[in-house]
Amino acid sequence: KAGVTQTPRYLIKTRGQQVTLSCSPISGHRSVSWYQQTPGQGLQFLFEYFSETQRNKGNFPGRFSGRQFSNSRSEMNVSTLELGDSALYLCASSPQGSRETQYFGPGTRLLVL
Amino acid sequence: AQSVSQHNHHVILSEAASLELGCNYSYGGTVNLFWYVQYPGQHLQLLLKYFSGDPLVKGIKGFEAEFIKSKFSFNLRKPSVQWSDTAEYFCAVGRALTFGSGTRLQVQP
Repeated sequence: KAGVTQTPRYLIKTRGQQVTLSCSPISGHRSVSWYQQTPGQGLQFLFEYFSETQRNKGNFPGRFSGRQFSNSRSEMNVSTLELGDSALYLCASSPQGSRETQYFGPGTRLLVL
Repeated sequence: AQSVSQHNHHVILSEAASLELGCNYSYGGTVNLFWYVQYPGQHLQLLLKYFSGDPLVKGIKGFEAEFIKSKFSFNLRKPSVQWSDTAEYFCAVGRALTFGSGTRLQVQP
């Protein structure tokens, strides 16, 4: 099976702009989670989607949002970008999202100038 | 709130040395424990996991971990490291994963 894919892989934006990142889970996986990785804060959970519904949410401001489509593909959006949003954004998928392993994609590296 | 603590931030070993990386967690729910590895330039990969049962878990590439409930620990071990084990190692707990800060392992040939 193909792994988790994320597009784009690299992105440069300026403060105040918005950005949309895309994630395609492993075929058959219905749960998609998003994480932010920064040198200062490490890996932090953003949110999880299952069957097009947000099932869990981390401690991030409302500027961070996401959605999931009927084919389980997911997007996350960050509005009004700040310099501190520069990070590697990781997507992970799992079959049901409960007591299961999450498989990670390569990430999208976002640089905010 | 759940948390994970990895005590070793940077470990330098010679090839064939034994490895033990510490991980302590605080979590109120059903314990799902993981070790992930991130090789240079690559994405996070699962090394091993513990959900229930035998507290000694074996993973890929000769790694193992032991779940000690009384100590809230899930330490990662490998009897003999190789240069190719150079990577960053993350302990994680829960379903919405809470990660530790990571341990950078450098293996010198």
